[in-house]
Amino acid sequence: AQSVSQHNHHVILSEAASLELGCNYSYGGTVNLFWYVQYPGQHLQLLLKYFSGDPLVKGIKGFEAEFIKSKFSFNLRKPSVQWSDTAEYFCAVNAVDRGSTLGRLYFGRGTQLTVWP
Amino acid sequence: GAVVSQHPSRVICKSGTSVKIECRSLDFQATTMFWYRQFPKQSLMLMATSNEGSKATYEQGVEKDKFLINHASLTLSTLTVTSAHPEDSSFYICSARDRWGGVEQYFGPGTRLTVT
Repeated sequence: AQSVSQHNHHVILSEAASLELGCNYSYGGTVNLFWYVQYPGQHLQLLLKYFSGDPLVKGIKGFEAEFIKSKFSFNLRKPSVQWSDTAEYFCAVNAVDRGSTLGRLYFGRGTQLTVWP
Repeated sequence: GAVVSQHPSRVICKSGTSVKIECRSLDFQATTMFWYRQFPKQSLMLMATSNEGSKATYEQGVEKDKFLINHASLTLSTLTVTSAHPEDSSFYICSARDRWGGVEQYFGPGTRLTVT
């Protein structure tokens, strides 16, 4: 079965610090990759996604992620975080050639980001 | 666009009773909806895939007779927790895929179920 690993369970930063959240997956075939964010008390929202093409994808609110196929990684980055970025971040993977018609997503366990003002 | 609603947002029920949770796609049609369970500080666990007009596909270890799923229309899926027990207390989240879109899922706000 596919697995998605998010190595950092809780990250604490000060405002303006740079952010990188790790995400690795175990599937060797073609994948679609996602980062979702869950602000306190709100539902999951899509930050960004990678389907194909340029491995560096830009999302909303200044976030970006880089797909490195050789490392099975899709790390999330932001050069300067804000207090409002405090949230839970989830990496998710869809294995394109395995059950892709259902769009099944495999989620990492999430990383809680706390940004101090 | 692509809004998914869930009702109720919170529900408290007594042990042994059943509770129904609705998931609606408000501005798009969804042939496929997903039901997740989220435990505190843990990931989303896929419970089942709901397909409009056909039976749901349950993940391994999820009791289909306990978690009844009905997807009777292109905009509504329901999850009924039957004979609820305190261990069923959790946060239940649904998502939906646009029938004309790709694999992207749009998530509902979740339902907090507490079984006393």
